[in-house]
Amino acid sequence: AQSVTQLDSHVSVSEGTPVLLRCNYSSSYSPSLFWYVQHPNKGLQLLLKYTSAATLVKGINGFEAEFKKSETSFHLTKPSAHMSDAAEYFCVVRGGYNKLIFGAGTRLAVHP
Amino acid sequence: NAGVTQTPKFQVLKTGQSMTLQCAQDMNHNSMYWYRQDPGMGLRLIYYSASEGTTDKGEVPNGYNVSRLNKREFSLRLESAAPSQTSVYFCASSADLAGGKETQYFGPGTRLLVL
Repeated sequence: AQSVTQLDSHVSVSEGTPVLLRCNYSSSYSPSLFWYVQHPNKGLQLLLKYTSAATLVKGINGFEAEFKKSETSFHLTKPSAHMSDAAEYFCVVRGGYNKLIFGAGTRLAVHP
Repeated sequence: NAGVTQTPKFQVLKTGQSMTLQCAQDMNHNSMYWYRQDPGMGLRLIYYSASEGTTDKGEVPNGYNVSRLNKREFSLRLESAAPSQTSVYFCASSADLAGGKETQYFGPGTRLLVL
């Protein structure tokens, strides 16, 4: 069975500093992995996805994630946080029949 | 294109009342999904529809029914609402279940409060 674990429920950074949101996955086969973002009172927007091509995946708004099979990780990073990055971020693995399995979420706060 | 739309945006129900949440997509997608979002639990799949005319249970189907009315529309019905169904409900769609076209696009959500 597929699952994801987001290691931090809350992350707080200062504007202009790097962002690291951690995600570990479990999958019985080569996984498809995603990061979605949800701004307050909004729907979910796809940031990036990994589907067994390049292990370093670039997404929108300067975010990227690296698939590391040996560590079963898919951490999300950004070199320099912006105030507009404050949101909740979900790591997601695709299960059977394209069902998405969500992590519990990481709430990112960005301080001036 | 509007993408995925949901109605209503907000709803307050009393225990035992029924209601239907509506979802429509204009992307000609085959597959549609209903999720609920609860604090600290991410999103959980309630029901999905691989294609017009088919529906299947997801992770948390109890207390819900769905109808895939046509290719565009996928509704979620609560026959007898319970306080445990207080949640934010998201509809999503994707081109297909498999074949590499699995990106799901989400609607803006419906906030439901059951008193």
